[in-house]
Amino acid sequence: GQSLEQPSEVTAVEGAIVQINCTYQTSGFYGLSWYQQHDGGAPTFLSYNALDGLEETGRFSSFLSRSDSYGYLLLQELQMKDSASYFCGLVTHDKIIFGKGTRLHILP
Amino acid sequence: GAVVSQHPSRVICKSGTSVKIECRSLDFQATTMFWYRQFPKQSLMLMATSNEGSKATYEQGVEKDKFLINHASLTLSTLTVTSAHPEDSSFYICSARGFGGLTLYEQYFGPGTRLTVT
Repeated sequence: GQSLEQPSEVTAVEGAIVQINCTYQTSGFYGLSWYQQHDGGAPTFLSYNALDGLEETGRFSSFLSRSDSYGYLLLQELQMKDSASYFCGLVTHDKIIFGKGTRLHILP
Repeated sequence: GAVVSQHPSRVICKSGTSVKIECRSLDFQATTMFWYRQFPKQSLMLMATSNEGSKATYEQGVEKDKFLINHASLTLSTLTVTSAHPEDSSFYICSARGFGGLTLYEQYFGPGTRLTVT
């Protein structure tokens, strides 16, 4: 089967950098994606890694290592508005399988 | 960008009644639409995948007869919760995927529907 593990909660300070890790088990996938969801809102797409390495999009970066079955989302210059849940997802040919999500708390 | 709408945003219904939720892709044609269920502070649980003009594919453990999905056009999918009970109360979110390989990894989510069954 396919499964993903990510920490349930992470706390960081405004202005700092935080890394949210995601490990997975799968028999095959196209890539790893990341979504952000604020309380009561819909998930929004953040980043996608089809290949190993780092993808950078502004303050957000995502990394994938297929050999280690591991990826992470890196958020820099944290802002209070970044307080949200973050989901990693395995992209397969017919769907995305999501992890349980990491709730990011940001302290002023 | 691609926009997906959902209607209604909130619905309260009595136990035993049926509720229909609509999901529309507003500015693109959605070849595939997905329906998720989410409990408070929990993950997105995929319920079913629907392709336009064909029957939905349900995930294991999801009752087909209870959660009826119709994807009649490339811009509209509906989820009907039949004979709703309080345990069906949840946040239901749809998402859509459009044409082309470039959008394979990106799903566009609707704003969700909060269903409360009393």
